[in-house]
Amino acid sequence: DIQMTQSPSSLSASVGDRVTITCRASQSISSYLNWYQQKPGKAPKLLIYAASSLQSGVPSRFSGSGSGTDFTLTISSLQPEDFATYYCQQSYSTPCTFGQGTRLEIK
Amino acid sequence: QVQLVQSGAEVKKPGASVKVSCKASGYTFTSYYMHWVRQAPGQGLEWMGIINPSGGSTSYAQKFQGRVTMTRDTSTSTVYMELSSLRSEDTAVYYCARDLPVDAAAGSWFDPWGQGTLVTVSS
Repeated sequence: DIQMTQSPSSLSASVGDRVTITCRASQSISSYLNWYQQKPGKAPKLLIYAASSLQSGVPSRFSGSGSGTDFTLTISSLQPEDFATYYCQQSYSTPCTFGQGTRLEIK
Repeated sequence: QVQLVQSGAEVKKPGASVKVSCKASGYTFTSYYMHWVRQAPGQGLEWMGIINPSGGSTSYAQKFQGRVTMTRDTSTSTVYMELSSLRSEDTAVYYCARDLPVDAAAGSWFDPWGQGTLVTVSS
């Protein structure tokens, strides 16, 4: 199985900050990388698919980049509603696998 | 709008089975793959398997082979996930999540997700 490793595991930031979360795959996954946001008690929500495509309805402050083994999710200017846990997911091979999550907290 | 509505919370004893349902609406049910993903308390996301609602074919994660069965009922646009021989480690929220159309060329991403079903395994 392909291992997905996110860093950092947790992050404290302030409203208005620019934040970057990294996801690394244990082998090349081309651009088969998705990002999800999950708030407490809620289901995950798709933010970015195929490494850099913004899901419809997701604010443009979210962006994704990368290919191969290294990927990033960037939030250009944090808003209060962005404090949540973020997961990357590879869909290059079965089973699909998720990163362990990055918890984004208010500083 | 596309919506996935899951069945309610369950409490089961070790060794029992649980069957969770996921009713789809707002799109052509047989045209999109469906996945099941679970999340233990305070933990990350774990993929369990996929079903093609059109023909009913399935593929399961190795970890759950022999214990999980995914089925569908096209007359009610509902998919089911049954997990048997439950143990305490199966206590989790179970989600269904829609994938791309069955005729998509490549790629896979999950959108939307059901609201989740908490399954508690306790003696």
